[in-house]
Amino acid sequence: SQTIHQWPATLVQPVGSPLSLECTVEGTSNPNLYWYRQAAGRGLQLLFYSVGIGQISSEVPQNLSASRPQDRQFILSSKKLLLSDSGFYLCAWSWGGGETQYFGPGTRLLVL
Amino acid sequence: SQQGEEDPQALSIQEGENATMNCSYKTSINNLQWYRQNSGRGLVHLILIRSNEREKHSGRLRVTLDTSKKSSSLLITASRAADTASYFCAANSGGSNYKLTFGKGTLLTVNP
Repeated sequence: SQTIHQWPATLVQPVGSPLSLECTVEGTSNPNLYWYRQAAGRGLQLLFYSVGIGQISSEVPQNLSASRPQDRQFILSSKKLLLSDSGFYLCAWSWGGGETQYFGPGTRLLVL
Repeated sequence: SQQGEEDPQALSIQEGENATMNCSYKTSINNLQWYRQNSGRGLVHLILIRSNEREKHSGRLRVTLDTSKKSSSLLITASRAADTASYFCAANSGGSNYKLTFGKGTLLTVNP
């Protein structure tokens, strides 16, 4: 069976500090990978998606970047966090040709 | 911009009652999906309905799709306190990356 992990679960960071959130998927190969952000009480905003190693598509201009150094690893980064980067970050995967997305438990980021 | 918009934003019912949530979208879709999110957790896929389908059932869930009105509804019958969660519709407009555009969600509270 497939599982998706995200860490850390919670993170409190000062403004201007760097960020690295990690997502890994087990039990599948060559998945599509996605990073979403969810503001409090809001829907999900797609930030990045990847259909393969080194292939990253950005959906919105922002202070964040993503990388996929390995097939089942997806990393969300920032060099300098802003207050507006606070939120709930969700990683998801889908089969390469699939439609349903499977979500990780999320990382709650608070930038102070 | 949001592809899916749920209505109502919040719904409070008693255990045993039925809950109906609606979703509208703006452009043509390949399929429409419903997800559930318990507070502070990741999303869980509930059901997918394709653009050529009008109704689909899964256990106590019934989803309808009206492509002429660009709308969908999710009905949960015989609700339980454990159904308390946020429910999101997500529109898939096709393409090999299977990107989903989520609405803001309906917060359902089922009172025991």
